[in-house]
Amino acid sequence: SQQGEEDPQALSIQEGENATMNCSYKTSINNLQWYRQNSGRGLVHLILIRSNEREKHSGRLRVTLDTSKKSSSLLITASRAADTASYFCAPGANSKLTFGKGITLSVRP
Amino acid sequence: GAVVSQHPSWVICKSGTSVKIECRSLDFQATTMFWYRQFPKQSLMLMATSNEGSKATYEQGVEKDKFLINHASLTLSTLTVTSAHPEDSSFYICSARGGLAGGGGTDTQYFGPGTRLTVL
Repeated sequence: SQQGEEDPQALSIQEGENATMNCSYKTSINNLQWYRQNSGRGLVHLILIRSNEREKHSGRLRVTLDTSKKSSSLLITASRAADTASYFCAPGANSKLTFGKGITLSVRP
Repeated sequence: GAVVSQHPSWVICKSGTSVKIECRSLDFQATTMFWYRQFPKQSLMLMATSNEGSKATYEQGVEKDKFLINHASLTLSTLTVTSAHPEDSSFYICSARGGLAGGGGTDTQYFGPGTRLTVL
């Protein structure tokens, strides 16, 4: 299955600290996307990284992709209380995304 | 970025009735739309993929006759839960994918805000 598996399941940090979230998958992909979901809301697209890319930045976000290890990481720098949410990685192949259970990030003010 | 809306945002209905949920891409043409359902604190499970003007492709285990999907235009897809039962209560989320949506190209899926369905 190409379902992403996020690690850790939950992460609690202090405002200003960096948050690192990891994702692993099992099959070949075309791209991998990271999403954020606030409680009871839809998903917000954060960043897409293609299989031929190794690193991508967007504001305070940094995503890496290692296709040899079938893993990706999402780094949020200088976290804010507003970053508190669930984060999902979604490996993409054959035009479909498959979501894991997500990581619950809590940023303490 | 690209905006996807869903209507209604929540609905409560009696067992046995049908409920229609709309998904609209507001500022781009969605060649493909996806329907997911999510249980509390769980992952999103893909239910079906719909392309404009053609029949939806359902994932294994999803009943086609129960979850009717219509993708009538490049900006609108509807999911109808027929003869709803309490076990159909869930959070239903659609996503849309199109060309150059929000600069994300054709691979990025943009999600609606979701619809909370409660069947009594």
